[in-house]
Amino acid sequence: SQTIHQWPATLVQPVGSPLSLECTVEGTSNPNLYWYRQAAGRGLQLLFYSVGIGQISSEVPQNLSASRPQDRQFILSSKKLLLSDSGFYLCAWSTDVNQPQHFGDGTRLSIL
Amino acid sequence: AQKVTQAQTEISVVEKEDVTLDCVYETRDTTYYLFWYKQPPSGELVFLIRRNSFDEQNEISGRYSWNFQKSTSSFNFTITASQVVDSAVYFCALSPTETGGTSYGKLTFGQGTILTVHP
Repeated sequence: SQTIHQWPATLVQPVGSPLSLECTVEGTSNPNLYWYRQAAGRGLQLLFYSVGIGQISSEVPQNLSASRPQDRQFILSSKKLLLSDSGFYLCAWSTDVNQPQHFGDGTRLSIL
Repeated sequence: AQKVTQAQTEISVVEKEDVTLDCVYETRDTTYYLFWYKQPPSGELVFLIRRNSFDEQNEISGRYSWNFQKSTSSFNFTITASQVVDSAVYFCALSPTETGGTSYGKLTFGQGTILTVHP
C-alpha cells in the first residue's frame, strides 16, 4: 500500500532563517505531488504541484520554493522565513490528476 | 474561477444527533469532481468521498451520506447518529476533471466546518 511521510512534525524557526520541509511517498511511482498551506482557522491553499521529477509549478507568488529531486520526494524550502510563513503545511499525492489526493500528517511551522 | 463555500463555520451537537454539513460550489467547468475531507485534531486530512458531476445519485456509507444536487450547486454531507469521534473539521473541495494537456487536478477547498460532538 502507499504511504506518505512528512517531517518534521513541528518546527519553530526564527525570522530570516532558512527552511526545508521534506515529503516522501512510498508504494507508488511517478505520483503527482502537492504542497498546501493551512493558516490558522482557514482552508487549504495550494502552493506548489509537480507532475514529474524537476517539474514544479507555483500557484501563488511567495517566499517559498519547491523542488522534486527524486520521483517520490518533494521538498519545500525558503532562504529567509517571514512571520507570515507560519502555518500548517501539508504534502499530498495522487496517482492521477483525476484521483483523490492523499495527505501526509503535516508540519506545524511557527516563526518567531 | 472556482469557489467553494461552507457557510457553517462551527456546529455543535450532542452525541446521537444527526448533523448536516452544507457545501455550495461555483464553477464554469462542465465536468468536475467534488470531495469531502475530514481533518481530526491530529491534523492530517482524511479523504471521505469523491463525486463526479455526472453522477447525481446520493451515496451512503455507514453513518455517512452525501446529497449532490447539481441544480443548486450543492454537495451536502450528513452524519447520522453522530459520535464523539466525528468531532473534526470537515472540508468540501472541488476540482475540474482533466481531459488532456498539462494538468494537475487542482483542489479548491472551502473554509471548513468545525464539528464538535458532545457526549
